[in-house]
Amino acid sequence: KAGVTQTPRYLIKTRGQQVTLSCSPISGHRSVSWYQQTPGQGLQFLFEYFSETQRNKGNFPGRFSGRQFSNSRSEMNVSTLELGDSALYLCASSLGPLDNGREQYFGPGTRLTVT
Amino acid sequence: QKEVEQNSGPLSVPEGAIASLNCTYSDRVSQSFFWYRQYSGKSPELIMSIYSNGDKEDGRFTAQLNKASQYVSLLIRDSQPSDSATYLCAATDSWGKLQFGAGTQVVVTP
Repeated sequence: KAGVTQTPRYLIKTRGQQVTLSCSPISGHRSVSWYQQTPGQGLQFLFEYFSETQRNKGNFPGRFSGRQFSNSRSEMNVSTLELGDSALYLCASSLGPLDNGREQYFGPGTRLTVT
Repeated sequence: QKEVEQNSGPLSVPEGAIASLNCTYSDRVSQSFFWYRQYSGKSPELIMSIYSNGDKEDGRFTAQLNKASQYVSLLIRDSQPSDSATYLCAATDSWGKLQFGAGTQVVVTP
């Protein structure tokens, strides 16, 4: 069974631009979560989507948004990029929602650099 | 106080020895617990999940959960150089968010 895939793997953007990252979960998985990982802050939860609905959101500004499609694929968008948004963005999928204690499996991540 | 706390290390372990990693958590996270391994430049890889008090073994790995003392640990038996990585402890909070510790770096020396 194929794992979680994320595109693109690497991205360089300029301050003020916007970016869209894509995630395809493991087949049959309906929950997709997004995380930001930086050396200083570690792994931080961004949001979780299940059945096309956002179930949870972390403490990030409204510039960070996401959505999930009927085939469970998900996208996240960051508008008005700031230098501090440079990070590894990770997508993780699970069979069911996180509050059911489901195991999550991570994709390879998208390395975003904002200049 | 952070929801999930780990010693950042590095934890230096001789090859063949047992590596012992600890993680404590707050009252705000108390449902499900996970250990992930992350190699430098790679994404986290799930090692084990544990939901109830006691031990859970999977190959060379044993997870231990003690809800009364609010800690979860991971033992790696017969440590190999390939076990050198950062180990992340994670727990689900009451809102269903997965909270991660900062990670413990393990270095297995030949």
